[in-house]
Amino acid sequence: NAGVMQNPRHLVRRRGQEARLRCSPMKGHSHVYWYRQLPEEGLKFMVYLQKENIIDESGMPKERFSAEFPKEGPSILRIQQVVRGDSAAYFCASRGQGARNEQFFGPGTRLTVL
Amino acid sequence: DAKTTQPPSMDCAEGRAANLPCNHSTISGNEYVYWYRQIHSQGPQYIIHGLKNNETNEMASLIITEDRKSSTLILPHATLRDTAVYYCIVRSTTDSWGKLQFGAGTQVVVTP
Repeated sequence: NAGVMQNPRHLVRRRGQEARLRCSPMKGHSHVYWYRQLPEEGLKFMVYLQKENIIDESGMPKERFSAEFPKEGPSILRIQQVVRGDSAAYFCASRGQGARNEQFFGPGTRLTVL
Repeated sequence: DAKTTQPPSMDCAEGRAANLPCNHSTISGNEYVYWYRQIHSQGPQYIIHGLKNNETNEMASLIITEDRKSSTLILPHATLRDTAVYYCIVRSTTDSWGKLQFGAGTQVVVTP
């Protein structure tokens, strides 16, 4: 059973470009979380999605960030018009049914904004 | 979710047990204690979780005090590969959708 997959692993964008980060959850998992880790800081929750629904986006910046988890395909975290402050590691995690089940994390996407 | 307090760092000799403390004095009845670790630059890795009973798995043991205000993660025989930041997280599973609130954690360095 493959783990959580994220791609790309490294992404370089210039200021003003768009960044699209993909996350394929573990097989059978329909709950996805995105977290961000800024340089030298801890992980911060961004958004929680179930298939086709955003359940909790309380950690998402109000502008330029969006997330989706379509019925088919991976979850996408999209950052429009990136700025240098968006440079960070973005991790996604998935879990099965049951909120107290552990979350399994992917290897992360490291976004660098030039 | 209740807050946790962990020492910022600790060293451990290879082959010895590592005992990582965590205080969570405001924990409520429906909150579990979870432990994750993050090896440098990798995604966090689940270790163990518990409600009030002590738990053990192939990675570690979790000892929760009777009043549930603190807990200790025990790595029985630390190896160099256990060097990581260890996060103790108190997590409600009834009203926060299971999201994890990471603190600063404890940087554990295992030395030869």
